[in-house]
Amino acid sequence: GIQVEQSPPDLILQEGANSTLRCNFSDSVNNLQWFHQNPWGQLINLFYIPSGTKQNGRLSATTVATERYSLLYISSSQTTDSGVYFCAVAGGSGGSNYKLTFGKGTLLTVNP
Amino acid sequence: DAGVTQSPTHLIKTRGQQVTLRCSPKSGHDTVSWYQQALGQGPQFIFQYYEEEERQRGNFPDRFSGHQFPNYSSELNVNALLLGDSALYLCASSRTVSFSPLHFGNGTRLTVT
Repeated sequence: GIQVEQSPPDLILQEGANSTLRCNFSDSVNNLQWFHQNPWGQLINLFYIPSGTKQNGRLSATTVATERYSLLYISSSQTTDSGVYFCAVAGGSGGSNYKLTFGKGTLLTVNP
Repeated sequence: DAGVTQSPTHLIKTRGQQVTLRCSPKSGHDTVSWYQQALGQGPQFIFQYYEEEERQRGNFPDRFSGHQFPNYSSELNVNALLLGDSALYLCASSRTVSFSPLHFGNGTRLTVT
């Protein structure tokens, strides 16, 4: 099945700093989503972005499908940005469009 | 607009018992997926239901079964519980007409003793 690698595994920032999270995947995809899991376990959908670039406030994401990677940018980070960021993909040669495969996540800690 | 709701929030069971978890999808959504998240890991796909049928299944044994009702709500059943089944169980809903974003519930924390 399709493999998803996220980097870095851990990231510690001071409030106000910017960061870039990366997601590499092993095959072509037709579905790619970024999620934020807060310290209480709630998973929030940030972006549905199988290709191209999207922005939502301080967050933006870019997926370069031909090169099999996606980037999540967080600008002017706040303590509420802390948590785990997951990339999840579906597709691949002979793969399913319905089954999202998640990476192991990036644990982001933003200190005041 | 109510989001995805799951019940119960927490559950403690003994090895060998059976458990049923419930999920109501977000309004307007017709597809329900279930995921298992072990501590420190990303969610793993269990199965997806659409039109009251299992459409896709992940690498989980037959002890894991599900159901979708005409109102799109869903149940996850796990039989013969093992200690390793202890995890956060997440329900996600979406619309099937296009590749729409997944919306997750807050999950059910299952502890098997």
